[in-house]
Amino acid sequence: QQPVQSPQAVILREGEDAVINCSSSKALYSVHWYRQKHGEAPVFLMILLKGGEQKGHEKISASFNEKKQQSSLYLTASQLSYSGTYFCGTGIRRDDKIIFGKGTRLHILP
Amino acid sequence: SQTIHQWPATLVQPVGSPLSLECTVEGTSNPNLYWYRQAAGRGLQLLFYSVGIGQISSEVPQNLSASRPQDRQFILSSKKLLLSDSGFYLCAWMGGLAGGPSSYNEQFFGPGTRLTVL
Repeated sequence: QQPVQSPQAVILREGEDAVINCSSSKALYSVHWYRQKHGEAPVFLMILLKGGEQKGHEKISASFNEKKQQSSLYLTASQLSYSGTYFCGTGIRRDDKIIFGKGTRLHILP
Repeated sequence: SQTIHQWPATLVQPVGSPLSLECTVEGTSNPNLYWYRQAAGRGLQLLFYSVGIGQISSEVPQNLSASRPQDRQFILSSKKLLLSDSGFYLCAWMGGLAGGPSSYNEQFFGPGTRLTVL
């Protein structure tokens, strides 16, 4: 039931845009996005709920296609600080565990 | 505001020794609590989760165990550590259904414990 993330890794130059995708084979209640810097704990970025609600960082945008059980995270005008590993997590009920994908490594070059 | 603590921050233990990692949450009541392990350069593996005192669900059968003696305390233990137990252990909390009417189920991670088994 682990969600599948793509791509596995991305290298960008500062200012370029990136899209990270997450898909599940199960009907989802929620999709969660996190960024993890090397040696640190994952930091919450965004949550998207079935029905269209979402909550998260002002500078982060994401979408959730309920019919396809797919979510995408959009990183525009990337900055050096965006480097890290991005994880998507999925939940099938409100009060349930979150299962994470394997992560997408993003490296931003100056 | 809510905060989550983990200790110790780092730990080096010999193979076969016991383990006890502690996680506490402040500023919320009836949270769901989770233990994850992250091997070097790998993803987040869910080990245990708890929706209430004394209620533990195990996701991966192994030589680890978890306990929740108090509402905001979650403990990860082992009687005998293996080399493969090395990793970054992360505790996380989520507002449970009893915590309020919000439909959002954001999950927040603690700072983690880096365990090296030699």
